[in-house]
Amino acid sequence: QKEVEQNSGPLSVPEGAIASLNCTYSDRGSQSFFWYRQYSGKSPELIMFIYSNGDKEDGRFTAQLNKASQYVSLLIRDSQPSDSATYLCAVTPSGSARQLTFGSGTQLTVLP
Amino acid sequence: DAGVIQSPRHEVTEMGQEVTLRCKPISGHDYLFWYRQTMMRGLELLIYFNNNVPIDDSGMPEDRFSAKMPNASFSTLKIQPSEPRDSAVYFCASYRQGNEKLFFGSGTQLSVL
Repeated sequence: QKEVEQNSGPLSVPEGAIASLNCTYSDRGSQSFFWYRQYSGKSPELIMFIYSNGDKEDGRFTAQLNKASQYVSLLIRDSQPSDSATYLCAVTPSGSARQLTFGSGTQLTVLP
Repeated sequence: DAGVIQSPRHEVTEMGQEVTLRCKPISGHDYLFWYRQTMMRGLELLIYFNNNVPIDDSGMPEDRFSAKMPNASFSTLKIQPSEPRDSAVYFCASYRQGNEKLFFGSGTQLSVL
């Protein structure tokens, strides 16, 4: 059983729409949650991290965490073609970026 | 800052050969990680170091894999002997305690024929 689950997609949204990416995790001891973006042929780069239940906003990105449901999501508002990439959810039992367990990623395509 | 530097970018080798992947973390970072990425298994943590000491190598697939960090600015991941199923992109990453951002290198695309 994979510890971090994501819909592999592909997910397609029109330019300007809201893209919603979802992730569930199995370890109730998970403390920290991260979203990474990976362009094709490139390395992952951190978009956001969240520790507490609720929403965390950063520009066009909003991360949402519900520990009771073991669910974390990423919303991208006003999606742009440059947002087209694979989005990786990662969790860790520690309070830091150590020992991240990654999901398999959701491929997002934003159509112009 | 040059970021995390990995070499080589691409490696093509034949089954049974020894492969050595290299990594230079960002200066001042006290944690270094080796990850492997494949289509089937996604991004997997192989091993990580803290202050040059291996902390958790439970992700290393088998004894054919070994990793070292002789000093704060250099680490190697060695596969001996290599097998076709080792074909993947191997990423090195580093971060500094207290800063939640994990910095990845550009990766090494390994193909074992």
